[in-house]
Amino acid sequence: GDSVTQMEGPVTLSEEAFLTINCTYTATGYPSLFWYVQYPGEGLQLLLKATKADDKGSNKGFEATYRKETTSFHLEKGSVQVSDSAVYFCALTLFKAAGNKLTFGGGTRVLVKP
Amino acid sequence: GAGVSQSPSNKVTEKGKDVELRCDPISGHTALYWYRQSLGQGLEFLIYFQGNSAPDKSGLPSDRFSAERTGGSVSTLTIQRTQQEDSAVYLCASSKQGSTNTGELFFGEGSRLTVL
Repeated sequence: GDSVTQMEGPVTLSEEAFLTINCTYTATGYPSLFWYVQYPGEGLQLLLKATKADDKGSNKGFEATYRKETTSFHLEKGSVQVSDSAVYFCALTLFKAAGNKLTFGGGTRVLVKP
Repeated sequence: GAGVSQSPSNKVTEKGKDVELRCDPISGHTALYWYRQSLGQGLEFLIYFQGNSAPDKSGLPSDRFSAERTGGSVSTLTIQRTQQEDSAVYLCASSKQGSTNTGELFFGEGSRLTVL
């Protein structure tokens, strides 16, 4: 079945450090890929997405590129802030006529220290 | 409302009791999803409703779990004879479908269930 694997946390960084969270997937078709973020005390929200190979999603300084050849969608940010402390989830969906069920990775907790 | 609303936000119950969790999706969203987030783990898909189609129940962990969606809007997730391993945060999400579907799910803040 479809699955998403992402690096385990927690990831602890200092402010202004470079962040990478690895995500790889297995899917029977051509999925759309997402990164969701869960800030402390808040619900999950979409961070960025990419719908086809070589697309780059970006938002709030975060970027991720859909790499079909390596089945990956790694999340990166060049200079993190304390406010980026959160749990990050990689996810995929295979659009179907009846809708799209998201399959999530296990989540990666990121802690940014001042 | 403006977002997905879930209630209760916190529920503590005794083992063996039944619980009901409610989800009110974003107005106009035809798809509704339930996920479970256990401590230290990712999001586990439970069930999915889309319009008048039969729900996708493939993620329900046992027959103690059931869900309804009345009138294509509000949904209730029911857990019968709760067990300690049911303790988790239950998340509801909704989305648009059809030509406006971007793939994005909009999540509520969840209902935290603790089974003693």
